[in-house]
Amino acid sequence: EAQVTQNPRYLITVTGKKLTVTCSQNMNHEYMSWYRQDPGLGLRQIYYSMNVEVTDKGDVPEGYKVSRKEKRNFPLILESPSPNQTSLYFCASRLGGYEQFFGPGTRLTVL
Amino acid sequence: QKEVEQDPGPLSVPEGAIVSLNCTYSNSAFQYFMWYRQYSRKGPELLMYTYSSGNKEDGRFTAQVDKSSKYISLFIRDSQPSDSATYLCAMKRSETSGSRLTFGEGTQLTVNP
Repeated sequence: EAQVTQNPRYLITVTGKKLTVTCSQNMNHEYMSWYRQDPGLGLRQIYYSMNVEVTDKGDVPEGYKVSRKEKRNFPLILESPSPNQTSLYFCASRLGGYEQFFGPGTRLTVL
Repeated sequence: QKEVEQDPGPLSVPEGAIVSLNCTYSNSAFQYFMWYRQYSRKGPELLMYTYSSGNKEDGRFTAQVDKSSKYISLFIRDSQPSDSATYLCAMKRSETSGSRLTFGEGTQLTVNP
């Protein structure tokens, strides 16, 4: 089944404790991205990657890091999480064109 | 000012009603317009896709784009409780793989049996 997977689905952590949210797709897509979704603000892009070793900032990159060492994986790293990073996070991928496939989401709470 | 404006609702309608969801945008460079549907606790899924101005129909759903007014709409006919979800409009400048999607905030729709 073609899909984007994310782990963990739910995470509660404390300020300053480094964390990684994994994302993997099995569709051989070149383009991958991370979004956060917040009430009143909608979906905002954090980082994106057009291919292996090619990443760039989206609209709200501050406090986040990404890497793309393999085509299928695109982890999101929070080196020192803060409460304002409490949000619902989505990983997405697409081959080109328009149809973007989203993962199921990761709900992060930073205390 | 946001590039894409969408009324977040919530919108509540009885089963069988015609639903109209709308977005306005400010960037005239947008040429590709999409509607995504997001069920509770799920990621968004592509529902409709249109290029430039005009209408596109798919079953009970019709997407409409008016580039002169910078206004797009999604109509749902004979709405069903299974249509209850958040609907997000999205748009982008070109069809190239690097073209970024800009999303509206999403409208939360509930269809009551």
